[in-house]
Amino acid sequence: AQSVTQLDSQVPVFEEAPVELRCNYSSSVSVYLFWYVQYPNQGLQLLLKYLSGSTLVKGINGFEAEFNKSQTSFHLRKPSVHISDTAEYFCAVSRNTGGFKTIFGAGTRLFVKA
Amino acid sequence: GAGVSQSPRYKVAKRGQDVALRCDPISGHVSLFWYQQALGQGPEFLTYFQNEAQLDKSGLPSDRFFAERPEGSVSTLKIQRTQQEDSAVYLCASSLLGGDGNTEAFFGQGTRLTVV
Repeated sequence: AQSVTQLDSQVPVFEEAPVELRCNYSSSVSVYLFWYVQYPNQGLQLLLKYLSGSTLVKGINGFEAEFNKSQTSFHLRKPSVHISDTAEYFCAVSRNTGGFKTIFGAGTRLFVKA
Repeated sequence: GAGVSQSPRYKVAKRGQDVALRCDPISGHVSLFWYQQALGQGPEFLTYFQNEAQLDKSGLPSDRFFAERPEGSVSTLKIQRTQQEDSAVYLCASSLLGGDGNTEAFFGQGTRLTVV
């Protein structure tokens, strides 16, 4: 079975500062990794995904994440955040063969302050 | 439609009442997923359809929960004899291809169910 741990439930940060949202996963098989964003009263939107290849993945809105197999981590980063980045961010994992379900972490609330 | 549509957006049910939640996936999408998101938590998998076939229902919490997708497009999640612990946002997602984990899932806005 797979599981996802998001180490921070809330991350406050000032506008234009860098941010890192941490995610660790566990799995006995190879996986795909995802980050989703959820704005208030909206559905989940895919930010980026890691399937294979380069461990540094770039996504929308200036976000990127690095897959670290030895540390089983997939941390999300942005060098300079905006007020509009305030949202809930979910890390997720799915098996890369024979799996249908995506397992989500509990989420990290990013709050960007002016 | 342009995206995944769920209805109703909000539902208040009295304990013991039956409810039906509807999901209209993106046209042509093969896969459809239902998730339950409790307050302050991440989405929890409920069930998965590939076309009309329900291939995984391991996440349904009890036999009061039932999902169907009879024609391989619209899906309905039914909850019988609702309990307070059923209060949550129910999310539907669809993806173009079969259920391999690499295909992007598009999520609807969800139905917020409150059982009183």
